[in-house]
Amino acid sequence: NAGVMQNPRHLVRRRGQEARLRCSPVKGHSHVYWYRQLPEEGLKFMVYLQKENIIDESGMPKERFSAEFPKEGPSILRIQQVVRGDSAAYFCASSPSRDQVNEQFFGPGTRLTVL
Amino acid sequence: AQSVTQPDIHITVSEGASLELRCNYSYGATPYLFWYVQSPGQGLQLLLKYFSGDTLVQGIKGFEAEFKRSQSSFNLRKPSVHWSDAAEYFCAVGGRNTDKLIFGTGTRLQVFP
Repeated sequence: NAGVMQNPRHLVRRRGQEARLRCSPVKGHSHVYWYRQLPEEGLKFMVYLQKENIIDESGMPKERFSAEFPKEGPSILRIQQVVRGDSAAYFCASSPSRDQVNEQFFGPGTRLTVL
Repeated sequence: AQSVTQPDIHITVSEGASLELRCNYSYGATPYLFWYVQSPGQGLQLLLKYFSGDTLVQGIKGFEAEFKRSQSSFNLRKPSVHWSDAAEYFCAVGGRNTDKLIFGTGTRLQVFP
């Protein structure tokens, strides 16, 4: 039983490049959440998606950031024209339903470093 | 405003000593409360959660937490700490009709032999 998979685990980008972070949820889970953890801080919610739909993107920066969860394949968090302030750990979580009685299972994270 | 406060940024204890990590929350509805542990370079693992019922909840690795509504607290405890418990601990709050978890800033636990 595979848990939440994220790749890459580490990603280095130069300023201005694009970063693509992938998340494969637990098999059977159709709800995906992305969180960002800045150095020395807790996790901050970014976006919540169901298959093919963005449900809540209230935590996403207004520019350069986008997320998708297609019918087939992993969820993708995309950061265009990265800046040094984007350096952080990005965690994906999945759950079988929206009801938080069901646990959100977290992946190991992608650590993005912007040079 | 919805928030979680973990007042202790860093705690150091000796192996075998008891442990209590503090967590206070502010939430407008019935809270669902969680404690996660994060080892260096790793993701988050759920230690325990509270939704309703008995206010003292048992978790994995010998941890427990007590929900005190009057104090808006959900402190994590362990009677005897092991060196392998050294990690970062996060308290989080959510609710039935919301999709996001709100995390505290974490408490880093160091264990001395």
